[in-house]
Amino acid sequence: SYELTQPLSVSVALGQTARIPCGGHNIGTKTVHWYQQKPGQAPVLVIYRDTDRPSGIPERFSGSTSGNTATLTIRRAQAGDEADYYCQVWDSMTVFGGGTKLTVL
Amino acid sequence: QLVDSGGGLTQPGGSLRLSCAGSGFSFRNYTMNWVRQAPGKGLEWISYITSSSSAIYYADSVKGRFTISRDNAKNSLSLQLNSLRVDDTAVYYCARGVSGFDHRHSYFYYLDVWGKGSAVTVSS
Repeated sequence: SYELTQPLSVSVALGQTARIPCGGHNIGTKTVHWYQQKPGQAPVLVIYRDTDRPSGIPERFSGSTSGNTATLTIRRAQAGDEADYYCQVWDSMTVFGGGTKLTVL
Repeated sequence: QLVDSGGGLTQPGGSLRLSCAGSGFSFRNYTMNWVRQAPGKGLEWISYITSSSSAIYYADSVKGRFTISRDNAKNSLSLQLNSLRVDDTAVYYCARGVSGFDHRHSYFYYLDVWGKGSAVTVSS
């Protein structure tokens, strides 16, 4: 089965740019989606179809893919961006990465 | 929105039924899913049903024990959990699916609306 690999944690200084990677074999041939989950809450879609943002998601959030890695980029990180982030693709079923905890210092 | 309900505490080998009510959109036109999250763990997709119930899929971890169903007339989705095990303890989310093909003609599928989740605890 297809696997997505994410680092357990990423830290970023307040106001700086956070980059959360998601690795997978030939992930560039797949469409990647990203979810944000804050403690005690349901996941929220923040990026879909690699680069699109749902309404209500700040422009600070963006997605990209290069080679075997997709990346969620959060510019001007805020305290409110602290959360777990999950990448997701379709490979005959819905596949999630293991999740990355973003800490804003 | 999606509102899920029906969680609770049960013993190993027991059963529970989860429900999810959809509102504010044309429920009958969307595929639906159940995703769970064990305490302190990541998201795990467990089941999918097409808009007309013509196709149903399960993760191997729940196949043969869980049953997904829907009633489009009532805008509702259900998950019957049987033969529950301690490792089924999790928060269970219902989620709406969106699919299509991108510019590379690659199929995509994502979950755009989620319920708040129902907690299931399996313990003796």
